[in-house]
Amino acid sequence: DAGVIQSPRHEVTEMGQEVTLRCKPISGHNSLFWYRQTMMRGLELLIYFNNNVPIDDSGMPEDRFSAKMPNASFSTLKIQPSEPRDSAVYFCASSFSPADSYTFGSGTRLTVV
Amino acid sequence: QKEVEQDPGPLSVPEGAIVSLNCTYSNSAFQYFMWYRQYSRKGPELLMYTYSSGNKEDGRFTAQVDKSSKYISLFIRDSQPSDSATYLCATDNTDKLIFGTGTRLQVFP
Repeated sequence: DAGVIQSPRHEVTEMGQEVTLRCKPISGHNSLFWYRQTMMRGLELLIYFNNNVPIDDSGMPEDRFSAKMPNASFSTLKIQPSEPRDSAVYFCASSFSPADSYTFGSGTRLTVV
Repeated sequence: QKEVEQDPGPLSVPEGAIVSLNCTYSNSAFQYFMWYRQYSRKGPELLMYTYSSGNKEDGRFTAQVDKSSKYISLFIRDSQPSDSATYLCATDNTDKLIFGTGTRLQVFP
């Protein structure tokens, strides 16, 4: 298995633009997680899905953030409009179940200027 | 109080030293404990996985859980420069993992 695949690896965008981050989980994993990592706050859970259904989105910072999982092999995290304070590394992770060990992707480094 | 607390470091040690990394947690119901290692510009990867109290050893790495004091530790023997990374502890919260903020470790030759 190729592991959890995220794209793009790097994204530089201007404030106000829409940003879409993509994730392909490991085949057979039923749970998918979106995290944001910064030096100040560490790893923050934004949202997670179980069997393609959003279970907990309490970590989504505000309405500018949205996430979807249309099928078991694909998820997106969208920020619209983006702001400089959204600059961070965004990780996607998947697992067999929500409390099982996670496999992380390599992350998307987002810079909003 | 955060559910999982971890000293952010950085921790700098010479090659060959024994390293001790620690976390505390607040909820006595937590059962599973994990250590993840994250190299610079990479995603975290699972290093050790333990259930309940006791020790688990894997090569140079030993994970220790003391449920009575809600304390988890990772020991690295004969540390190598390749061990330089950020180490994150994690525990289950029935429906998701809770991560510590990570301790940055630097092993210098």
